[in-house]
Amino acid sequence: GAVVSQHPSWVICKSGTSVKIECRSLDFQATTMFWYRQFPKQSLMLMATSNEGSKATYEQGVEKDKFLINHASLTLSTLTVTSAHPEDSSFYICSTNPGTSPLGGTDTQYFGPGTRLTVL
Amino acid sequence: QKEVEQDPGPLSVPEGAIVSLNCTYSNSAFQYFMWYRQYSRKGPELLMYTYSSGNKEDGRFTAQVDKSSKYISLFIRDSQPSDSATYLCVSTSYGKLTFGQGTILTVHP
Repeated sequence: GAVVSQHPSWVICKSGTSVKIECRSLDFQATTMFWYRQFPKQSLMLMATSNEGSKATYEQGVEKDKFLINHASLTLSTLTVTSAHPEDSSFYICSTNPGTSPLGGTDTQYFGPGTRLTVL
Repeated sequence: QKEVEQDPGPLSVPEGAIVSLNCTYSNSAFQYFMWYRQYSRKGPELLMYTYSSGNKEDGRFTAQVDKSSKYISLFIRDSQPSDSATYLCVSTSYGKLTFGQGTILTVHP
């Protein structure tokens, strides 16, 4: 399957600061990437769909001014959590959809390893 | 009612047991079905993908879909301690993934 990396894998920050998380597609050009958030013992919740060269599409209830997404190239999408607060502490995971793959179909998404954000 | 319902467990089995993980879904528009495995503090990893009713086998894993009853299953044969993880059933329609809650599985030696 597709290889997706995230950086950093773990970040701790003070309340009120901003944190940038990078998501890279290592083996194909991704016009679309997805950002999810996962709280402990819960499943993944889609936050937004990141589109290369255009604005991201946010899910209902996700503040676009708080979670800034930039998809500046076909291999890199970034999520910036602005003015982070303790309630933003979560596991953030990105994914890509290569369109077709030996293991999956056109809807299959491949996930990065995740970034654990802790806001003090 | 959630679109994909999955028993969260936890499920604990001895090594070598056959494990059965199950989901139901309510949206008839769902076209494809997947199982992901997620280890603690890691991203989900694709295990199985299927789009039609019936069985699909890959090594120790068998995915089963019954579209008439909207029922999805994953069977793990000869379970190993390394299979201990959270298993997510996922249904998709028009590119959007809908996740079940995930079942926590522990295989003890």
